[in-house]
Amino acid sequence: GQNIDQPTEMTATEGAIVQINCTYQTSGFNGLFWYQQHAGEAPTFLSYNVLDGLEEKGRFSSFLSRSKGYSYLLLKELQMKDSASYLCAVRVGWDNAGNMLTFGGGTRLMVKP
Amino acid sequence: GAGVSQSPRYKVTKRGQDVALRCDPISGHVSLYWYRQALGQGPEFLTYFNYEAQQDKSGLPNDRFSAERPEGSISTLTIQRTEQRDSAMYRCASSGGTAYYEKLFFGSGTQLSVL
Repeated sequence: GQNIDQPTEMTATEGAIVQINCTYQTSGFNGLFWYQQHAGEAPTFLSYNVLDGLEEKGRFSSFLSRSKGYSYLLLKELQMKDSASYLCAVRVGWDNAGNMLTFGGGTRLMVKP
Repeated sequence: GAGVSQSPRYKVTKRGQDVALRCDPISGHVSLYWYRQALGQGPEFLTYFNYEAQQDKSGLPNDRFSAERPEGSISTLTIQRTEQRDSAMYRCASSGGTAYYEKLFFGSGTQLSVL
């Protein structure tokens, strides 16, 4: 089976840095995605990692360690608008399997003034 | 269109009725996915298409669920003889290609309530 774990909720202060962890145990691995979902809205793409290491994109960075089955999303200079759920998703299929993603339950981040 | 469009936005039905949920992907997008999302949970894969071909339907819960994309554009997810446990947000997503790194663009979803 597929198992993706992330904390249910986190709270941080505006202007601070927060790290959201994701661990996975899956039957295969072909990349890890992070999506952001504001309440009542659709998920939107944030980042993609397939090789070990850190991918930086503005205030957001994502890290992957395949040997440890571990990823994190790092959010810097937090803003109130960053309050949302952050979804970790693993692609477990092979090359022709399209983008069938297995999602974790999501981490609800609350940013306080 | 500018984004993935789903209709209806809300659907309330009585147990035992059939429902059809529609998805209009971003113009030119090859791949189309259906997911189901319970409140406070991540999306759960149901099925997906490349062009008009259904590539995988392993996530469909049972044979009351079916999907089609006859012309490789608009897709319909049909649930027959609905049950209360079918109540959820049904989300459609599309991607421009079939490569494994392609990101998904999600629609606003159809909130299905079965009474």
